[in-house]
Amino acid sequence: DAKTTQPNSMESNEEEPVHLPCNHSTISGTDYIHWYRQLPSQGPEYVIHGLTSNVNNRMASLAIAEDRKSSTLILHRATLRDAAVYYCIPPSSSQGGSEKLVFGKGTKLTVNP
Amino acid sequence: EAGVTQSPTHLIKTRGQQATLRCSPISGHTSVYWYQQALGLGLQFLLWYDEGEERNRGNFPPRFSGRQFPNYSSELNVNALELEDSALYLCASSLDTGNGANVLTFGAGSRLTVL
Repeated sequence: DAKTTQPNSMESNEEEPVHLPCNHSTISGTDYIHWYRQLPSQGPEYVIHGLTSNVNNRMASLAIAEDRKSSTLILHRATLRDAAVYYCIPPSSSQGGSEKLVFGKGTKLTVNP
Repeated sequence: EAGVTQSPTHLIKTRGQQATLRCSPISGHTSVYWYQQALGLGLQFLLWYDEGEERNRGNFPPRFSGRQFPNYSSELNVNALELEDSALYLCASSLDTGNGANVLTFGAGSRLTVL
């Protein structure tokens, strides 16, 4: 199974940028990198995904290292509603593809007012 | 557009009983996934159904089973309930893009408590 390493927790202040790192050194060349987040008392929600190039959407940006062994989720201006557990998920084709997304423990982001 | 809906929201059972959880995917989605989230732990992959067939299964005993109906809704059955089965059970659906870029949409979950 693909292994990911994320910090257990991070803290940010409101209106400041947040950079959430993830190491996925065992990722294969064709695996997309997915990020999801789980707000308190809710199911996870999709944030962003990418393969090689950096990606932007209305929620966040995803910066992928050139060797693809790490990625960083960027929240440009954190709000209190961004407080959640963020999961970095590189599906491994060896474990059946993205249908078997393996969610680790993620990074718990606290946003201070 | 309605999201992924799960029922019941909460379910209380005793050891040895059976629990049935239901999931309705987003209209047009053919794939349904089940995950278990025990308190304080990450999500554990349970099952993946697509087009009515079980396509993949996580490391769970056979008493965890399910099915997908012709309308793509799904049921998760847990037999011979044990205390450690107490958890939030999450259902997700997606279109199967076949290229590893499936985006999952999750429901709010069903909270199962085993006494």
